[in-house]
Amino acid sequence: QKEVEQNSGPLSVPEGAIASLNCTYSDRGSQSFFWYRQYSGKSPELIMSIYSNGDKEDGRFTAQLNKASQYVSLLIRDSQPSDSATYLCAVKGGIYNQGGKLIFGQGTELSVKP
Amino acid sequence: EAGVVQSPRYKIIEKKQPVAFWCNPISGHNTLYWYLQNLGQGPELLIRYENEEAVDDSQLPKDRFSAERLKGVDSTLKIQPAELGDSAVYLCASSLRSPLRTSGDLGTDTQYFGPGTRLTVL
Repeated sequence: QKEVEQNSGPLSVPEGAIASLNCTYSDRGSQSFFWYRQYSGKSPELIMSIYSNGDKEDGRFTAQLNKASQYVSLLIRDSQPSDSATYLCAVKGGIYNQGGKLIFGQGTELSVKP
Repeated sequence: EAGVVQSPRYKIIEKKQPVAFWCNPISGHNTLYWYLQNLGQGPELLIRYENEEAVDDSQLPKDRFSAERLKGVDSTLKIQPAELGDSAVYLCASSLRSPLRTSGDLGTDTQYFGPGTRLTVL
């Protein structure tokens, strides 16, 4: 089992729709969770971080964390073609990762169609 | 504020040749990371520095890879000799690790990535 798992996609949504990206992790003790956006040929860019159960909103982005179920999700409202990118879920901390390094999923490719 | 700088951006070499990558972190950032990213995968940590000290190099293939961070600022990552399987993007990231704890946070150490070096080994 991979430590952080994401559907590789591609996930295709029409412009204006809500895009829902999901991520599960295996280390129950993980404490910090991040979503990075990576455009093709570019480096990852942090868009959201979340540390507590529940929702965290920032503009059109909402991160949701459920530690009991070991999943974290990212919702993008009013999706725009410029949101088309690969979204990487990253997890830090935990029983098996006490050094605090980021462990990334393989990323989900999102395509927003005009 | 300048971001993380990496050079070169692209490198093509033949197998068995040596290659080196350079990284200049964001000014004042005490933690520096080297990641490897294969196509279609997320970045994987190779080595992490806290100032001059390599605190996590468990994923660094030490038979051919080496890294240094002199004076706790710039860092170089070297591969000697390169193999075909080393073709990937090598990303450098930096963060300002703080002991501050907020709501379970392990420290306000958001990692900022450089543009990466795309290595092709022929």
